[in-house]
Formats: sequence, structure tokens, C-alpha cells
Amino acid sequence: KQEVTQIPAALSVPEGENLVLNCSFTDSAIYNLQWFSQDPGKGLTSLLLIQSSQREQTSGRLNASLDKSSGRSTLYIAASQPGDSATYLCAVSSTGGFKTIFGAGTRLFVKA
Amino acid sequence: GAVVSQHPSRVICKSGTSVKIECRSLDFQATTMFWYRQFPKQSLMLMATSNEGSKATYEQGVEKDKFLINHASLTLSTLTVTSAHPEDSSFYICSARWGVGDTEAFFGQGTRLTVV
Repeated sequence: KQEVTQIPAALSVPEGENLVLNCSFTDSAIYNLQWFSQDPGKGLTSLLLIQSSQREQTSGRLNASLDKSSGRSTLYIAASQPGDSATYLCAVSSTGGFKTIFGAGTRLFVKA
Repeated sequence: GAVVSQHPSRVICKSGTSVKIECRSLDFQATTMFWYRQFPKQSLMLMATSNEGSKATYEQGVEKDKFLINHASLTLSTLTVTSAHPEDSSFYICSARWGVGDTEAFFGQGTRLTVV
């Protein structure tokens, strides 16, 4: 059974700081990994999707890496802004059953 | 990306009544749909997987008689919460995939259910 863990659970940083969010998963038989952001009480915003054959994806100030063999992914946020404050969710889609399983998330607060 | 629409976005119902949530894929045929539940300050927990024309497969601990899932067409799945109780109050999100195999899942914007 796939399990997804995110560290840290919460993070508070000053504006402008670069930061890294971590995601680990127990079953390396995945076909993609996705990072989402979520504001309180709102739906999901897709940030980056990495296919299992890829090692990283970039979008603006965001960079996500994937090391499938070790079961790890990181989300790098450069020059953080108060508007980046949200919960960041890592979601892994496994080849067994093709289900998408979510981590518990990292709550990020960027102070102005 | 493809669009998945959920309706309603918010619903309040009385305890003991049933409420139906719709999930539609607007620009693709959704072979498989998934339903998630999210309690406050918690992550999304997969409730069930439904394939068009088949019975849904429920995750362990999810009551199939309470959470009725219908996936009668390739663009629509419904989740009916029967005899709702206040503890069923939650955020429900659906996702949809097309085809068989490693295709991307697209997510709806969620439905906030409050049972009073």
C-alpha cells in the first residue's frame, strides 16, 4: 500500500527566502507525481506534474525533482512571497490500481 | 489541462437527509473517477474508485451503503451521502482520468458539505 509522507508539516519563513519541501513515498512503482497548492477551504491548484521517466519540472519560481528509485521528491520555491502562503500537497499516482494518494501536506506561511 | 466540474460547490443539509454531489468531465471521457474526502486541516483521503458502468471499489473503512457512487456515463459520476450526520461534514473532491493506464488525473474544485 502506497504511503506518502511530507516534511516539514509546517514552515514559516520571511519573504524572499528560498525553501525546499520534501515528499517521500514507499512504493516506487509510480507513473507520476504531482505537487498541488491549496488555500484553506478551497480546491486544489496543480503546480507541477512529473512523469516517472522525468527527473524534474520547472515552472516560474518552482522546481520539482523526482528520484523514483529512492522514493523522494522535492519542491523548491525560489524567492518566496506572501502570496505563496498555502498548504502544499504531494500526490503520487501508482501503477497498481492507478490511484492517486496524497501526503498530509506542508503548511507554508511566508511573512512580509 | 482538462476540466472537471463539481456541483454544488457548497451544500447545507439537515441531519438524516441525503445529498448528491455531481462530478463531470467537461472535455474528455472519464473512464475512471475517484472520490476523496478532506476533513479540516487534514489531507485528502481516497474514498472510492469508480469505473464507468461498473460498481465502485471502496477503500477500507468507507461505508459503501452510506456513500453511494454511480458512474453511469463517461462524463458523469455522482456521490450520494445517505442519511447524513454532522460527522459527514467535510470537503469532498472528485478526480477523473481518461483511458486505461498511466494517464493524468484532473481534479474538481470540491464540494463543502455541512450537515446541521
